[in-house]
Amino acid sequence: QVQLQESGPGLVKPSQTLSLTCTVSGDSVTSGNYPWSWLRQTAGKGLEWIGSVQAVGRTNYNPSLKSRVTILLDTAKNQFSLRVTSVTAADTAVYFCARDSTSLTGEWGYWGQGTPVTVS
Amino acid sequence: QSALTQPASVSGSPGQSITISCTGSSSDFRNYGLVSWYQQHPGEAPRLIILENTNRPSGISDRFSASTSDNTASLTISGLQAEDEADYYCCLYGNTQTSDVIFGGGTTLAVL
Repeated sequence: QVQLQESGPGLVKPSQTLSLTCTVSGDSVTSGNYPWSWLRQTAGKGLEWIGSVQAVGRTNYNPSLKSRVTILLDTAKNQFSLRVTSVTAADTAVYFCARDSTSLTGEWGYWGQGTPVTVS
Repeated sequence: QSALTQPASVSGSPGQSITISCTGSSSDFRNYGLVSWYQQHPGEAPRLIILENTNRPSGISDRFSASTSDNTASLTISGLQAEDEADYYCCLYGNTQTSDVIFGGGTTLAVL
């Protein structure tokens, strides 16, 4: 069974970089062509897709965040990571990592439990 | 592209059926082509309940059904149960040029 677990600081100062890691078990980040995604959820804006990475090396990012976001695979640790630079209070959210059920981004069948991040 | 519009809240009694709509622009529906739906209970991660417009993942009750027409997607829950009380989100995806997605604002379902 595929399981995902987010980890990282829960508090980040404005203008600094938010860094989170998603550890995957029960699957390999290099198997298949599944996109491995980061999403976030705020009370005001609901769910927001941040971006995804695939084992073939392809990354896709939300155009509204693209200039500040990097998603990387760490195949040795079976993890993928998220970096968001120059954070502001608007980046305060619960951050989820997820895996799609197919090769299409938008069918997230596997989710981490989410980790809250506050920018303050 | 703009966010998809969902009603903020809907309600129903146990045993009844309810429908949640998800409306966007015709061009977005045409360019993205696929809709998924998610159920989210408080404090939990979203759960995929519909993909590819109408398909249920394994383990999802057949009380959940969905359809898509022109610029509107709809989720119907029949035989409402207390456990169905949750937030529901639609998601438009499948744009091979942009590879991004569009979410609806979410609908809170109350089972009265």
